[in-house]
Amino acid sequence: DAGITQSPRHKVTETGTPVTLRCHQTENHRYMYWYRQDPGHGLRLIHYSYGVKDTDKGEVSDGYSVSRSKTEDFLLTLESATSSQTSVYFCAISEENNSPLHFGNGTRLTVT
Amino acid sequence: AQSVTQPDIHITVSEGASLELRCNYSYGATPYLFWYVQSPGQGLQLLLKYFSGDTLVQGIKGFEAEFKRSQSSFNLRKPSVHWSDAAEYFCAVVPGTASKLTFGTGTRLQVTL
Repeated sequence: DAGITQSPRHKVTETGTPVTLRCHQTENHRYMYWYRQDPGHGLRLIHYSYGVKDTDKGEVSDGYSVSRSKTEDFLLTLESATSSQTSVYFCAISEENNSPLHFGNGTRLTVT
Repeated sequence: AQSVTQPDIHITVSEGASLELRCNYSYGATPYLFWYVQSPGQGLQLLLKYFSGDTLVQGIKGFEAEFKRSQSSFNLRKPSVHWSDAAEYFCAVVPGTASKLTFGTGTRLQVTL
């Protein structure tokens, strides 16, 4: 398995609180991605990064921000969590743009 | 709108039977095409990919897929399903070099013994 670690694996938080999810890779891949998975929607891209401090929005970026200060770490922040952000969040990495993705095992986030 | 469609939400097959999971896309040019598999509680694992060349591609775990341009399809097949193949399968498409991966909504495969 590709060296991708997501933390935490599970989190329950209250509406309005900030939440940060972490993705750590040991593969030195340039590209990193955050997806959310919801029933009936498959996986949808939130944000991605193409290098340190280089990030861009995906199709469902509202309410989320990201940061990448080191090659190996990509953080996803929910500034003020809402119930609609209850989901399973997956981090993925790839060597080059559009090369196959390798996924972490996900973080299950529940916003009450 | 451009999209990836997996028309079957749930499929049940008997162990040893053949399998075909359907995937259609609506992009104009020939995209990059992928199939991923997800076991419960796990991330997604790449089964196979098509970028160009031979339209029949072989993947891991005995899976194959065929790209048919005329039908805008990239169906996944396996001649004989094993109980361990029970999982959710996602078709994914990159419409163009400047685009990002777009996933279908998935097909959940159940295998009966």
